[in-house]
Amino acid sequence: AQRVTQPEKLLSVFKGAPVELKCNYSYSGSPELFWYVQYSRQRLQLLLRHISRESIKGFTADLNKGETSFHLKKPFAQEEDSAMYYCALSGSGGSYIPTFGRGTSLIVHP
Amino acid sequence: GAVVSQHPSRVICKSGTSVKIECRSLDFQATTMFWYRQFPKQSLMLMATSNEGSKATYEQGVEKDKFLINHASLTLSTLTVTSAHPEDSSFYICSARDVGLVLPEQYFGPGTRLTVT
Repeated sequence: AQRVTQPEKLLSVFKGAPVELKCNYSYSGSPELFWYVQYSRQRLQLLLRHISRESIKGFTADLNKGETSFHLKKPFAQEEDSAMYYCALSGSGGSYIPTFGRGTSLIVHP
Repeated sequence: GAVVSQHPSRVICKSGTSVKIECRSLDFQATTMFWYRQFPKQSLMLMATSNEGSKATYEQGVEKDKFLINHASLTLSTLTVTSAHPEDSSFYICSARDVGLVLPEQYFGPGTRLTVT
């Protein structure tokens, strides 16, 4: 079974501080990992995925297969980063059944 | 980016009645759509995978006779909550996957707030 764990329900930081939103997963094969973001009163949208190896809005995430983690990081948080962040996993290849973590609410204080 | 719409955005119905929620992919064709349920301050729970032209695949514990899914075209999937009860009150979100991209992406609708009185 595939599972995504986001241990923190809430993460509160001050503007300019580093941010790390934790995500651990359980999957028997080769997973695809994603981070989705939901800003207040907006729909979920894709932030980044591990296979792209991109930096989006200053956020990066590295897949660590040894630790089965896909933590989301940003060196300097901005107030506009305040949102709900969901880590998600899917099997690679033809089978795409996404599983979401419970989400972490990030609040960036001025 | 691609857009997925849902209608209605909010619905209130009486216990025992049925409610239909529509999910449309506006500028791409979606052979697969997903229906989620989201409880307050909790994650998205995948209810079912809607496949165009075939039966939906339901997740364990989701009653297929209660949550009827029809994916009659490449741009429309509907979720009908039959004989709704107050415990069905929730936020329902659909999403559609655009596989026509180099990197297929899952797009989400804005959600439908269902309140059963």
